[in-house]
Amino acid sequence: EAAVTQSPRNKVAVTGGKVTLSCNQTNNHNNMYWYRQDTGHGLRLIHYSYGAGSTEKGDIPDGYKASRPSQENFSLILELATPSQTSVYFCASGEDWGNGAEQFFGPGTRLTVL
Amino acid sequence: GDSVTQTEGLVTLTEGLPVMLNCTYQTIYSNPFLFWYVQHLNESPRLLLKSFTDNKRTEHQGFHATLHKSSSSFHLQKSSAQLSDSALYYCASSGNKLIFGIGTLLSVKP
Repeated sequence: EAAVTQSPRNKVAVTGGKVTLSCNQTNNHNNMYWYRQDTGHGLRLIHYSYGAGSTEKGDIPDGYKASRPSQENFSLILELATPSQTSVYFCASGEDWGNGAEQFFGPGTRLTVL
Repeated sequence: GDSVTQTEGLVTLTEGLPVMLNCTYQTIYSNPFLFWYVQHLNESPRLLLKSFTDNKRTEHQGFHATLHKSSSSFHLQKSSAQLSDSALYYCASSGNKLIFGIGTLLSVKP
């Protein structure tokens, strides 16, 4: 029973289209995160949340929005997808990284924007 | 701003040889946590080990690392590489946020 799940696992979108990536966690963690993974850049933080109703900008938020409607769910929204957003996206949950808390990653979503 | 530097994008080793993956960090915080995450092929990253204490060796699953604040380093080591160690390794530092390095791909050959 995976604690962090993501859907879809694979997505092909067209340029200019809207894409929503969903994440669900059963860890009851307050914090959730969205990263993208690209060769040569590692894991980069897009948005994160401290709890239901909160979203915060990470290091590369441009072109992305986030929504945290509940403790369990955290979505990443690409309103107008571009080819530069082709990547692998990881959702994670955890407690305060400042206190050394581990982050638990989902299986990832491979997004291709044509 | 905060940063994490990992050297050498690809490290190729022969099974049985020692592993050392370098990590240095920059942060204004005097007491950051340092982490190593490992990601095997077609899997997601998972925590390998972490440390907060200066000059204390931390071990897990045959790997070890020691945080040296004097040199801002947290190198990952293992005495004898195994084929199953082939993976992408990320060093990360927590200050006001968690910063990941770009990753080092370890390839262990027979």
